[in-house]
Amino acid sequence: KAGVTQTPRYLIKTRGQQVTLSCSPISGHRSVSWYQQTPGQGLQFLFEYFSETQRNKGNFPGRFSGRQFSNSRSEMNVSTLELGDSALYLCASSRTDGTPYEQYFGPGTRLTVT
Amino acid sequence: QKEVEQDPGPLSVPEGAIVSLNCTYSNSAFQYFMWYRQYSRKGPELLMYTYSSGNKEDGRFTAQVDKSSKYISLFIRDSQPSDSATYLCASLSGGYNKLIFGAGTRLAVHP
Repeated sequence: KAGVTQTPRYLIKTRGQQVTLSCSPISGHRSVSWYQQTPGQGLQFLFEYFSETQRNKGNFPGRFSGRQFSNSRSEMNVSTLELGDSALYLCASSRTDGTPYEQYFGPGTRLTVT
Repeated sequence: QKEVEQDPGPLSVPEGAIVSLNCTYSNSAFQYFMWYRQYSRKGPELLMYTYSSGNKEDGRFTAQVDKSSKYISLFIRDSQPSDSATYLCASLSGGYNKLIFGAGTRLAVHP
């Protein structure tokens, strides 16, 4: 069974630009969550999507947004990039039809903002 | 104060040692507790989870939760160099898959 895939794996952008990251969940998983990982703040929850609807959102500014498609694939977008947005962006998928909502992470997209 | 606190280490032990990794949490509503392992340049990998208080064992790994003291532990028996990684504790916050992570403890097991 294929795991969670994320594209691209590495990205370099300039301050002020925008970026779109993609996540394909494990087959059959309908929930996709996004996390930001930095050395200073650790792993922080961004948002979660299920059946194309955002069900939960973390404490990030509105520059961070996402969406989910009917095939459960998800994208997240960061507009007006800042230097502090440099991080590893991880997505995780889960089935949500049982306990305890086991989440399986992809390898992440490493974003560098210069 | 963070909802889940974890000593970032690093922790260095000889091969074969018993490793104890610990976290504390502040929200008494937390019910599910997870341990993830993250190798360098990889995504976190779910090791095991527990619900409420008690112990859970899986091979060389034992997870323990004490809700009275809000304490989460992971024990690794007969540690191996391949166990060298960052270990993250996490708790499920409310519903809808929002995980609150500790800072992660970097473990090095040397031969």
